[in-house]
Amino acid sequence: DQQVKQNSPSLSVQEGRISILNCDYTNSMFDYFLWYKKYPAEGPTFLISISSIKDKNEDGRFTVFLNKSAKHLSLHIVPSQPGDSAVYFCAASVNNAGNMLTFGGGTRLMVKP
Amino acid sequence: EPEVTQTPSHQVTQMGQEVILRCVPISNHLYFYWYRQILGQKVEFLVSFYNNEISEKSEIFDDQFSVERPDGSNFTLKIRSTKLEDSAMYFCASSETTGRYGYTFGSGTRLTVV
Repeated sequence: DQQVKQNSPSLSVQEGRISILNCDYTNSMFDYFLWYKKYPAEGPTFLISISSIKDKNEDGRFTVFLNKSAKHLSLHIVPSQPGDSAVYFCAASVNNAGNMLTFGGGTRLMVKP
Repeated sequence: EPEVTQTPSHQVTQMGQEVILRCVPISNHLYFYWYRQILGQKVEFLVSFYNNEISEKSEIFDDQFSVERPDGSNFTLKIRSTKLEDSAMYFCASSETTGRYGYTFGSGTRLTVV
């Protein structure tokens, strides 16, 4: 049951360019979305989130866009830096349905110097 | 910055043995979670715990699994009789308020069942 899907297992980007990571979901009950970053041998760390009442949220170099009609969200990193190389997970939750997050499979981002 | 601490970082156990994974959540957090990630697969929800009881659990969290908060600081996951397919990275997490807005994860315990 893949309610949250990240169709690109990996992405390679040149330093200084934009990285765009995509995520699709099928459950229309999801109303809050999060991006986590994970380095090897570490746990996921929270990066940025967006509520379904918004279509964009920005935090420094990171911007998340939400297209509810397409059930699609994306994470933009501008400019990309080598330290951004990690696995990025999108996750989603449902209001009034507990505390569970449903994760996508992750996209490995490699930023080349 | 406050951290969620997990021990051990790697545990190897024989099939059929009991294993306890330990976590120290962030001290003022009230909600606690266990997730797991089988190699190459998604991060999957196991269980959430609040006010000294399980508040949600997934179908993965069957009778072989249990959680406990034995004192004011530790949060443990016990697997009674481990199977080969229990081999995974187990992540503990905690949140101050409802976790649907995100949690803080620990670095994980890699469990290898042989």
